[in-house]
Amino acid sequence: NAGVTQTPKFQVLKTGQSMTLQCAQDMNHEYMSWYRQDPGMGLRLIHYSVGAGITDQGEVPNGYNVSRSTTEDFPLRLLSAAPSQTSVYFCASSRFSGNTIYFGEGSWLTVV
Amino acid sequence: AQKVTQAQTEISVVEKEDVTLDCVYETRDTTYYLFWYKQPPSGELVFLIRRNSFDEQNEISGRYSWNFQKSTSSFNFTITASQVVDSAVYFCALIPNNAGNNRKLIWGLGTSLAVNP
Repeated sequence: NAGVTQTPKFQVLKTGQSMTLQCAQDMNHEYMSWYRQDPGMGLRLIHYSVGAGITDQGEVPNGYNVSRSTTEDFPLRLLSAAPSQTSVYFCASSRFSGNTIYFGEGSWLTVV
Repeated sequence: AQKVTQAQTEISVVEKEDVTLDCVYETRDTTYYLFWYKQPPSGELVFLIRRNSFDEQNEISGRYSWNFQKSTSSFNFTITASQVVDSAVYFCALIPNNAGNNRKLIWGLGTSLAVNP
């Protein structure tokens, strides 16, 4: 089973560049989300979606956009990369509220 | 306030020792869900257990066990006869059922466990 698939696994960007982190899940989960993980700060929610066509902001949404055109896909766009966005990004999905949340393998992003 | 506290930042044990990772949570909600995740050195987040607030039964899965006590708002995780492969960062997390929180997972900062041969 593929579960949650996110790409790329590693990426180096220059300041000001834009890019999209892809996320797809094959479990027909309604709820999807993006987190970033930074040393000493744990995981912080960037954006989330409770279903196709519905997205909302998490704790740290600035500098990121999301869309949810299908149940399966939830891409995260960095509009103009900044060094502060150097982090590990995780995409996650769950069937419904309170259910087990499954994570992708993570994307290591460095902005220079 | 909704919060998860993992007071132990780092733990180091020798293989075959038992080790308990502490997790204390805060929530006003009567319905909530608790989780433990493991993050090995390779970086992925691995689901270990999910508990809802109405189920206070302790859980055992092989060498892993969990002690959920609502009276002390704790959800502690014990590894029996630890192995080197248990070396990882372990996260405790909470989902309050308050609709205003809209299903957000609240994370502890993690406990880094090193199991030495």
